[in-house]
This record gives sequence, C-alpha cells and structure tokens, in this order.
Amino acid sequence: GAGVSQSPSNKVTEKGKDVELRCDPISGHTALYWYRQSLGQGLEFLIYFQGNSAPDKSGLPSDRFSAERTGGSVSTLTIQRTQQEDSAVYLCASSGRIDYNSPLHFGNGTRLTVT
Amino acid sequence: GIQVEQSPPDLILQEGANSTLRCNFSDSVNNLQWFHQNPWGQLINLFYIPSGTKQNGRLSATTVATERYSLLYISSSQTTDSGVYFCAVGTGRRALTFGSGTRLQVQP
Repeated sequence: GAGVSQSPSNKVTEKGKDVELRCDPISGHTALYWYRQSLGQGLEFLIYFQGNSAPDKSGLPSDRFSAERTGGSVSTLTIQRTQQEDSAVYLCASSGRIDYNSPLHFGNGTRLTVT
Repeated sequence: GIQVEQSPPDLILQEGANSTLRCNFSDSVNNLQWFHQNPWGQLINLFYIPSGTKQNGRLSATTVATERYSLLYISSSQTTDSGVYFCAVGTGRRALTFGSGTRLQVQP
C-alpha cells in the first residue's frame, strides 16, 4: 500500500483479555518495527523483523507480549492477559533492509486502553 | 545501550521566529533520523542524516558524527510546525533508539 496501515485504530479491552494488533507495511519494505508510546512519553522499542525473522526481541516487556510476521509482509502483535500498564499507543514502522539504514515510515498507531 | 538526549525539552515560539533543536548521543552511530509528531499523533520522517547537512524547505539538519550531535533548524516557524520533534539513532543492525523529544508550540 501507499503507507503503513495499522488496525484497529482504537481498542478498548478489559483487564485480563487478549488483544491482537495488526500492521501492514509499505509494499516492498523488508524491515518492520514495533514501538509503543505512553501518554506524553517518547517511543519505546519492542521488536523488529527482517523478513519473517525477529533478530531483536529485546524490547518486549514480558512474556505476555509476542509478535509474528508472515510472508514478509503483515505483522501481528499479541498481548495476552492485558494489564492496565499496557495502555499506550502501539506504533508500527517499516523501512528497507535494516542494514541499509533507510528512512523509517510510521503508521498512525493503535491506541490501546485497558480498563 | 546508546543514550539520546534532546534539548530543550519544551519550546514556545512566536510565528516567524527561528529555532534550533539539539540531539546528543552517547556512542558512534551510522543511522540518525529526525521525526515530527503532529498534535494528532502522526509521526513524519523529516530527515535521514547520519552525517552532513540537508535542507528541505524551511527545515534543515546537520549531524556532526565525530562530535556525537545533530541539530535541527526551523526557520520562519508556522503554527503547523507545532508538535514534538524526535531524534532517533541506530548502529548496525539495531533498531533506532529515540530521544525523549522537544515539544514545540508556535503561537500566532
């Protein structure tokens, strides 16, 4: 597509439920990143993919968080047993190969609210 | 990991004024990018600038990699420039690390 697409744009869920967030990167971009941003804060790195593999998962805050990417395209970030501290905007970005250091392009994010 | 410091944290300008935003980083990098997050939360890539100087309209950026800093210049500011400006740096195959941002408010 023309830009990075994320869905849903907003998600309200009850504490303890599982959620899935989706990212569709720019066509042809092989690197895909997940960040999250709490209210008024900077961006916190979660995980990135080069193709379908995830060389760096160091930012995932706990084992309740997981992500996968299939077909070198769409990625899903799953949060199990959501907690109130998971409330944030989850941002996805894509670029050319990470070692080519090409510009990052972000989607509009998914605003997650855990009640 | 690499540390990124941005200054000033907050900046208020009158429309038409010029400003300089600074980004310091703690280690050698081969990837540095500037982003603008508008009041609606959209993040727009302004510059990919691991070294040297680039200009795009009223915005320009300079990175002095050997001294570990980058500067973003905004000239003749407009109200649409308001938002948060982020610097992000990276090395090798590591994902970008973001600074905490400079929040800019341009008043009419």
